[in-house]
Amino acid sequence: LAKTTQPISMDSYEGQEVNITCSHNNIATNDYITWYQQFPSQGPRFIIQGYKTKVTNEVASLFIPADRKSSTLSLPRVSLSDTAVYYCLVGNAGGSYIPTFGRGTSLIVHP
Amino acid sequence: IAGITQAPTSQILAAGRRMTLRCTQDMRHNAMYWYRQDLGLGLRLIHYSNTAGTTGKGEVPDGYSVSRANTDDFPLTLASAVPSQTSVYFCASSEWGNNEQFFGPGTRLTVL
Repeated sequence: LAKTTQPISMDSYEGQEVNITCSHNNIATNDYITWYQQFPSQGPRFIIQGYKTKVTNEVASLFIPADRKSSTLSLPRVSLSDTAVYYCLVGNAGGSYIPTFGRGTSLIVHP
Repeated sequence: IAGITQAPTSQILAAGRRMTLRCTQDMRHNAMYWYRQDLGLGLRLIHYSNTAGTTGKGEVPDGYSVSRANTDDFPLTLASAVPSQTSVYFCASSEWGNNEQFFGPGTRLTVL
């Protein structure tokens, strides 16, 4: 299982860009990197997934360096509603994949 | 389309009692998962099923059992509840081979 490490918490202010980095030093060749967002009293919600380089959607961007040993979730111009816990997962659901969420990063956006 | 539903929403249970948490999805997903979430510990996988008729153990399976008689339903049973099983339980589903999981609203279980 590829273990991930991410900061326990981060603080930001409305309108700023937030970058959350996840380390996954033993990522396997077939593993993808997936990020989820969880609001209080709700289940996690898929945000973005990537394999290499950069992926962008309407919610976030995901930057993955060439060695794939880390990844950075970028949230542009955050608002108060982006306050949530963000989880980084690494794995390949087509293989012997046991998803491991860990503790995630608690992001608090201040006015 | 309901997506994935869980029942009950919350439950208070006496220790030693048997309890089944229900999970149903209407997306025809092959894979289903049960997680528990405790403060400070994130989500931990209890059991999973890659397809109807098969199940597997996750990170914290002890004290729990699951069954997968069909594609849509994935009940989680606590045969004899203990206070350490007080938690919020989330069920999720995904297409087999797809890392994107869809989560239910959760069941808050308190064992006294």
